[in-house]
Amino acid sequence: QQQVKQSPQSLIVQKGGISIINCAYENTAFDYFPWYQQFPGKGPALLIAIRPDVSEKKEGRFTISFNKSAKQFSLHIMDSQPGDSATYFCAAYHSGSRLTFGEGTQLTVNP
Amino acid sequence: DTEVTQTPKHLVMGMTNKKSLKCEQHMGHRAMYWYKQKAKKPPELMFVYSYEKLSINESVPSRFSPECPNSSLLNLHLHALQPEDSALYLCASSLRVPDTQYFGPGTRLTVL
Repeated sequence: QQQVKQSPQSLIVQKGGISIINCAYENTAFDYFPWYQQFPGKGPALLIAIRPDVSEKKEGRFTISFNKSAKQFSLHIMDSQPGDSATYFCAAYHSGSRLTFGEGTQLTVNP
Repeated sequence: DTEVTQTPKHLVMGMTNKKSLKCEQHMGHRAMYWYKQKAKKPPELMFVYSYEKLSINESVPSRFSPECPNSSLLNLHLHALQPEDSALYLCASSLRVPDTQYFGPGTRLTVL
């Protein structure tokens, strides 16, 4: 019940395209869903986060869509750039839990 | 300022060495974490300190020994490590447990 399932494992997108990464969870107690971006050899950086009382949150080219009934959330990267090439982790937690990460998606944006 | 700093950036040690990793934050956060991350995997939680007290130890071998001297500083003491302990060691902090965690850049550890 603590799992967060993330897909796809890897994603290749052309510059200017839309990158979409999906996550699903089972534990309905989760109430905070952050996304982290990690470049090789660096620590994960908080990208954007959402709580289940909203269905969408947008920050620049990054948008989280949240479907509470389906227990799914996704990250959309609009106008993807080569500099967006990184590993993306979705995560979830609630007041009594540890931060639970998805397995990660390695995004490559080709110029 | 959402910066967590970690030193050293890289560390190579033999199996008989003793070394320490250091983590610092000045955001007034009262929770600090150590994670271990292997290549192409998500971070794995090792320890959690809340208000300078160890609150979670994820059954980590005793060759890893954490220490929280004050609310801004977190150390990880290493002794008699194994080659399989080679990984990126990440420190994170949050205002409280649980809350949004901010990660440091990590220490790349290689055990020979």
